Amino acid sequence: AQTVTQSQPEMSVQEAETVTLSCTYDTSESDYYLFWYKQPPSRQMILVIRQEAYKQQNATENRFSVNFQKAAKSFSLKISDSQLGDAAMYFCAYAVVDNFNKFYFGSGTKLNVKP
Amino acid sequence: SAVISQKPSRDICQRGTSLTIQCQVDSQVTMMFWYRQQPGQSLTLIATANQGSEATYESGFVIDKFPISRPNLTFSTLTVSNMSPEDSSIYLCSVMTYQRPDTQYFGPGTRLTVL
Repeated sequence: AQTVTQSQPEMSVQEAETVTLSCTYDTSESDYYLFWYKQPPSRQMILVIRQEAYKQQNATENRFSVNFQKAAKSFSLKISDSQLGDAAMYFCAYAVVDNFNKFYFGSGTKLNVKP
Repeated sequence: SAVISQKPSRDICQRGTSLTIQCQVDSQVTMMFWYRQQPGQSLTLIATANQGSEATYESGFVIDKFPISRPNLTFSTLTVSNMSPEDSSIYLCSVMTYQRPDTQYFGPGTRLTVL
């Protein structure tokens, strides 16, 4: 069964500091994609970053980067220079390449940013 | 990514009534999906909206309760029928585009409260 686990229900970070959100997943597939989505209080889910499992290089989008450890089935999100606008729920998600109709979402991590 | 709008953005309804939620995209998309997100929870896929044919429902969701239409490649509706307070949730539309058929992009959501 494919599952996505986010073990940190809530985290806090000081503005301008760095924070890492954890995500692990369980799969027997070898070809898949991983995603981090952000859901601010306005509730729209916004794609933060995506990673193809076949790529060894970790994806980066400005202040957001991932640490993808395929063997460990770990996909953490690092937010550098945290800003107040980063405060949101963050969801990790997984999809198999030959079945993109099915996305598996984690339970989410609420990130608080302190001024 | 596509620009996705949902109507209404929120509504308060009486028990036993029905509400139809619209999802409109500014360009043709390959796939459209409907999710439910209960308060403080992750996303649960209700169904895949198929253009010109019946939607594909996930386990636990039935057409009589959640009829879905997708008359073309840019528009879909989800109806929540015979509502009860347990249907109070955020309902999210998501799409996959021709340009990026491996990633889901989400609409702003509809917050439904059933009294």
